[in-house]
Amino acid sequence: AQTVTQSQPEMSVQEAETVTLSCTYDTSESDYYLFWYKQPPSRQMILVIRQEAYKQQNATENRFSVNFQKAAKSFSLKISDSQLGDAAMYFCAYGADSGYALNFGKGTSLLVTP
Amino acid sequence: DTGVSQNPRHKITKRGQNVTFRCDPISEHNRLYWYRQTLGQGPEFLTYFQNEAQLEKSRLLSDRFSAERPKGSFSTLEIQRTEQGDSAMYLCASRPGQGTLNSPLHFGNGTRLTVT
Repeated sequence: AQTVTQSQPEMSVQEAETVTLSCTYDTSESDYYLFWYKQPPSRQMILVIRQEAYKQQNATENRFSVNFQKAAKSFSLKISDSQLGDAAMYFCAYGADSGYALNFGKGTSLLVTP
Repeated sequence: DTGVSQNPRHKITKRGQNVTFRCDPISEHNRLYWYRQTLGQGPEFLTYFQNEAQLEKSRLLSDRFSAERPKGSFSTLEIQRTEQGDSAMYLCASRPGQGTLNSPLHFGNGTRLTVT
């Protein structure tokens, strides 16, 4: 079974600074997808960024970028120029076409301080 | 795109009662998922529909749980004889597409169940 591990239950960053959230996963698949989802308090989960494993180039979406290390099975999220609105739970997720569902990590709670 | 809609938002029930939740996915999405999320945990997969067919069920889905998607549109999740351990947020998600998981999941706001 594929597992997703987020080793940082909580992280804190000052406004305008950069923070990196860690994620590792375990799989025997060669083709798969990785995602970061954001869940603000009492609000719905939304997709932040995604990465296809066959792509060597790291995905970037505005202030959000990933560091995908396939051999190390590592998929970290970097948030640059942090904003107060970035405060949320962040979940790393894994999916493969051999299955139907995404497997999620336990999440990292990000606090952004002024 | 009106988003994924879930009702009710909150449900409080007594142990032993039955409850039913509804999910209305985004209209053109043929794939629908149910997840359960407990405090401090990530979402855990429960079941998956492609159109009206239930293609996968997690071992988490005990015999007390049943899900349907009768016409390939909205879905219901029923829990019979609720237990306190069923207290959680139940999330519904949908996505379009024929093949890969590359198309992202769109989540609803969830139904928070409290069993007293």
